Amino acid sequence: AQKITQTQPGMFVQEKEAVTLDCTYDTSDQSYGLFWYKQPSSGEMIFLIYQGSYDEQNATEGRYSLNFQKARKSANLVISASQLGDSAMYFCAMRDPGAQKLVFGQGTRLTINP
Amino acid sequence: DTAVSQTPKYLVTQMGNDKSIKCEQNLGHDTMYWYKQDSKKFLKIMFSYNNKELIINETVPNRFSPKSPDKAHLNLHINSLELGDSAVYFCASSRLRRGANEKLFFGSGTQLSVL
Repeated sequence: AQKITQTQPGMFVQEKEAVTLDCTYDTSDQSYGLFWYKQPSSGEMIFLIYQGSYDEQNATEGRYSLNFQKARKSANLVISASQLGDSAMYFCAMRDPGAQKLVFGQGTRLTINP
Repeated sequence: DTAVSQTPKYLVTQMGNDKSIKCEQNLGHDTMYWYKQDSKKFLKIMFSYNNKELIINETVPNRFSPKSPDKAHLNLHINSLELGDSAVYFCASSRLRRGANEKLFFGSGTQLSVL
């Protein structure tokens, strides 16, 4: 069975600093996808970034990058030059081709201080 | 033009009542989902439908009954509401039912409060 673990319940970072949110996963499948979503205080779920298990390059989307270490089964989200608007819950999720669903980690609450 | 829309956004009701949440997607996706987010923010899948066919039912009490009249709509009906049903319910859709790269598009959520 798939399992996603986010070990940081909360993170506090100064504005303009870079921040890394940790995510480890467990699966016996060779093919899988890893996702990060952001949930601001308004409640909606916003897709940030995707990494496929066979992708050789780390995924990047603007200020977001995914530090993918396949042997360690980790998929950490890196946010560069953090902004006040980055304060939110962040969820790591995984999907394998056969599971037909996205499985989420517990989430990390990120607070950006001015 | 909202891609996945669900109504109502807030639902406050008494224990024992029956209520429904509606969801519609205009993305042309084949697969729709209901997720529940509890008070600790944990997101767990409840149901999934593919082209009106139920494909996932994750040990949800049978007081919860999803209905998909067509592939663009997935509604959730809850009978005999209990205090523990209080949560945020998210509707979501994906293009296909299978595929490691199939991301979910979420609705804005329905905050259900059972008093």
